[in-house]
Amino acid sequence: KAGVTQTPRYLIKTRGQQVTLSCSPISGHRSVSWYQQTPGQGLQFLFEYFSETQRNKGNFPGRFSGRQFSNSRSEMNVSTLELGDSALYLCASSLAAGYIQYFGAGTRLSVL
Amino acid sequence: KNEVEQSPQNLTAQEGEFITINCSYSVGISALHWLQQHPGGGIVSLFMLSSGKKKHGRLIATINIQEKHSSLHITASHPRDSAVYICAVRYLSGGGADGLTFGKGTHLIIQP
Repeated sequence: KAGVTQTPRYLIKTRGQQVTLSCSPISGHRSVSWYQQTPGQGLQFLFEYFSETQRNKGNFPGRFSGRQFSNSRSEMNVSTLELGDSALYLCASSLAAGYIQYFGAGTRLSVL
Repeated sequence: KNEVEQSPQNLTAQEGEFITINCSYSVGISALHWLQQHPGGGIVSLFMLSSGKKKHGRLIATINIQEKHSSLHITASHPRDSAVYICAVRYLSGGGADGLTFGKGTHLIIQP
């Protein structure tokens, strides 16, 4: 069974640009969560989706958005990038909310 | 703000030693997770528990709901156990549950 796949693995952008990250969950998993990891703040929760609906949202500005498609694949978008958005973005999938989560390898975003 | 506190922050031990990592949280939770992160970023979910104790190989996780405390134990530690161990909780709020809140992690080094 394939694991959680995140693309791209690495990304370099400049301030003011926007970026879209993709996450394909494990087959059969309907819940996808996104997290940001930085050396200063550690891991922080961004969003949680289940069956195309956002169930929870973390304390991030509106520049951070996401969506989930009918096949459970999810994307997150960050608009008007800032230097502080440089981070490892992790996606995790689970059968449903409240089940154990399986993490992808992450997308490392560098904003110059 | 609901916090998750982990201790110790850093731990260096000799191969074969018994390891204990602690996690405490502030209010009611629906579940507590223990995660392992190796250099390079990959995160593996070790345990998800809401009561009692779970064991997988040389790893044991316990939780005391009344004291709002959990421990992760590693028996017969090995250099391959060297990693960052992260505690995360899903707090209860407004009749539902929030996204995960993470501790800052315990950086474990097992020396041969």
